[in-house]
Amino acid sequence: AQSVAQPEDQVNVAEGNPLTVKCTYSVSGNPYLFWYVQYPNRGLQFLLKYITGDNLVKGSYGFEAEFNKSQTSFHLKKPSALVSDSALYFCAVFLGTGGFKTIFGAGTRLFVKA
Amino acid sequence: ETGVTQTPRHLVMGMTNKKSLKCEQHLGHNAMYWYKQSAKKPLELMFVYNFKEQTENNSVPSRFSPECPNSSHLFLHLHTLQPEDSALYLCASSQDGDRGGNQPQHFGDGTRLSIL
Repeated sequence: AQSVAQPEDQVNVAEGNPLTVKCTYSVSGNPYLFWYVQYPNRGLQFLLKYITGDNLVKGSYGFEAEFNKSQTSFHLKKPSALVSDSALYFCAVFLGTGGFKTIFGAGTRLFVKA
Repeated sequence: ETGVTQTPRHLVMGMTNKKSLKCEQHLGHNAMYWYKQSAKKPLELMFVYNFKEQTENNSVPSRFSPECPNSSHLFLHLHTLQPEDSALYLCASSQDGDRGGNQPQHFGDGTRLSIL
């Protein structure tokens, strides 16, 4: 079955430290991968995407993600976390087969402590 | 401002009521979506419209009825809902005219629905 997994419900990191939010996927064919962020009482906001090309993609607010085909992963990273980065993060994959739709992971709550 | 506006932001209704959620996008997109977000559950895709045509119905109960009169507006009509339908309902849009799937979705801030 095609799926996307975020193995951590919550990630805790101190301000100024690097952060990683993990995502793995299982899809047939070449995946289109996305990261979104959700702040309290708001909808999801697009951060970055991987379609093809360079495995390291850069996005909004200093975030970046690395596509690793052999490990079927697309982890979100930031070199130096800010308290304002505290939010809910969703990994998503577009399914080109079995229906043109995007499926989302369950989300990972990031908590950055000052 | 995301370019996708949802109204109302909050809605409380009884199980026998009929209400509608509204979504409007000002981005010139061709695809619109309804999602249900419940606590501690993955985001659930409900419906997809592409160029006003429904292209996805993810086994949603008939008490939820979508309507897409044009590419800018999307409605979700609600009737005889159940307490488990209480959730945040999110609308999104994307430029998927060619169904390429490589365009991100733009989300509204949602309608928080509570069923009494």
